[in-house]
Amino acid sequence: DTAVSQTPKYLVTQMGNDKSIKCEQNLGHDTMYWYKQDSKKFLKIMFSYNNKELIINETVPNRFSPKSPDKAHLNLHINSLELGDSAVYFCASTQTGQETQYFGPGTRLLVL
Amino acid sequence: AQSVTQPDIHITVSEGASLELRCNYSYGATPYLFWYVQSPGQGLQLLLKYFSGDTLVQGIKGFEAEFKRSQSSFNLRKPSVHWSDAAEYFCAVGFGGNKLVFGAGTILRVKS
Repeated sequence: DTAVSQTPKYLVTQMGNDKSIKCEQNLGHDTMYWYKQDSKKFLKIMFSYNNKELIINETVPNRFSPKSPDKAHLNLHINSLELGDSAVYFCASTQTGQETQYFGPGTRLLVL
Repeated sequence: AQSVTQPDIHITVSEGASLELRCNYSYGATPYLFWYVQSPGQGLQLLLKYFSGDTLVQGIKGFEAEFKRSQSSFNLRKPSVHWSDAAEYFCAVGFGGNKLVFGAGTILRVKS
């Protein structure tokens, strides 16, 4: 009964490939996020969706495309992967007005 | 601009000693304040949060934090550190709109 889950946990791929990461939450929340944690462990928000609608879109290359099929799922598709995309990607969720975000276990992406 | 500062990149304490991790923020009003912990290879776990009311908040694993408005600080404390507390600790601040800004993190090492 994991609250926020991500798949895969690890992803190793070659430069130029396209890959997707999936996130699901069973907390009944209406808002979900993608964060990127770089090699220096700095966490930065990338996107946020509220009820399937994009509400936060930080300065992220348009090779990154989030998709929310329903409010319990938020996927991240990355085209033409680059070495600099290597990072840990965290999904999080919250309920509007509650402010507290709950994080998934992370997806460790390594681009070779 | 809104910002979060964790001045200490690394802290080493002896097992059984007390701990204080510092967090300062820059914002004109009182934000929402959080501490998260990340064990190696793991996701982010919420330790505690402050929204309003009593400025000393208790969290899980014996941690507490105190909000000091005059110093724009939200320092994390624990009276007696255990070896299992070794991890990276992130202060996060919500400035409204369900968006969190994270500090750079403090790595805690515990020596026996």
